[in-house]
Order: sequence, then structure tokens, then C-alpha cells
Amino acid sequence: GEQVEQLPSILRVQEGSSASINCTYENSASNYFPWYKQEPGENPKLIIDIRSNMERKQTQGLIVLLDKKAKRFSLHITDTQPGDSAMYFCATTGGYKVVFGSGTRLLVSP
Amino acid sequence: AQTIHQWPVAEIKAVGSPLSLGCTIKGKSSPNLYWYWQATGGTLQQLFYSITVGQVESVVQLNLSASRPKDDQFILSTEKLLLSHSGFYLCAWSPGTGGSYEQYFGPGTRLTVL
Repeated sequence: GEQVEQLPSILRVQEGSSASINCTYENSASNYFPWYKQEPGENPKLIIDIRSNMERKQTQGLIVLLDKKAKRFSLHITDTQPGDSAMYFCATTGGYKVVFGSGTRLLVSP
Repeated sequence: AQTIHQWPVAEIKAVGSPLSLGCTIKGKSSPNLYWYWQATGGTLQQLFYSITVGQVESVVQLNLSASRPKDDQFILSTEKLLLSHSGFYLCAWSPGTGGSYEQYFGPGTRLTVL
């Protein structure tokens, strides 16, 4: 089936530095690209998203970039804090079907 | 404001037994509804989606079925559980028509099959 590759699987950074997560997708019909943050034992929460008519979006220390030609999108977290430690999932949506990436465990050390 | 409720919070069931999980959305008429499964430490796998009462589309075959008996209710079930059904089941809703909208997840049901 359709896949979304997400890298890295584990990301360790120091507090105050930046963190970047990359995803590549297969389906050129995908037109909506959300990012979710999931804390242990909890449900995923939408943190930022981008639609296919945009190349860049920024909100509250988060930046998402979309390169449709390369079928690649990425999440950049600036000035990371210990509270940013969690699992992060990218996803692609084309209509009602959603495909999630395999996830990135972000660990922010003080 | 919209609220999404899932029941039960957790279940421990025997292999071969039946299962029924529920999800209710309040504060939103005609939502798009979704079921996901997440293995421990794994990613989310979309199972079903529904855009209207009585209509459910299957995304993957995992010996599960889903129904939407009311506009605000989505049910996931099986007659015979397998060990591989263990995991975290999440219901989600999204607004709009045509899909490709943000999804909001319920608190989830943790299922352990022994």
C-alpha cells in the first residue's frame, strides 16, 4: 500500500537548538499535509498543517515546508524545549484517506 | 465547542471473544468520522471512514467492521478477536466535504487481547 517515509526515527537535540523531521510521500494526489504530536498514553494532537497550494507555513516556533515536485515535506521546530519531547507523526491526505509516517521520537535534553 | 468521547477507556478481552468500541461526537452535525489503530510504539493505521449515516468505507482489512448508526456515533466491532487486535484504537472527526481537512482525535481505547 501507499507509504509515507519519515526520518529520522529518533532525534536527540539540546534545549534551545532546532529539530528537523522529513517526510516523503508517493501519491501525487495528496493535497493536505498535517503534523501531529503525541505524548505517551495520549491521543495525537494537530500542531501544524500545510495544503498543497502553499510552500511554507509558520506558527509559534514551528515551520513546515512543502516541495510538491520532490514529494517531500518537513517540520522544523525552532528553540526546542524539554516540553517538545514527544512522538511526532507526519501524514498525507488525499480525500478521506490518510497515510501516516512511521513517527519520530524527539528527545530534548536540558 | 465539539467534544469527542470514546468508550470504553480500556478493555482486556480473550482471543476469540467479540468486541464493540464506540465513539460519539457532540457539537458538530454531519462530521466525517474515522477509526484508527495504533500498535504499541507504532504509527497510526486508518481502518475506516464515514461521511454520512449508514455509509462506511473500509481502508484496510483487519477482520474488523464498522458502522455508523447515527449522525454522531461510530462503532467498531468484531465477532472474534485475534491477538493482533491488541493496541490503541482512536476515533477522529473532521469538518468539511471532500476530505483533506484537519482531524481531531478522541482520547482512545486501549485494547489488550490475551
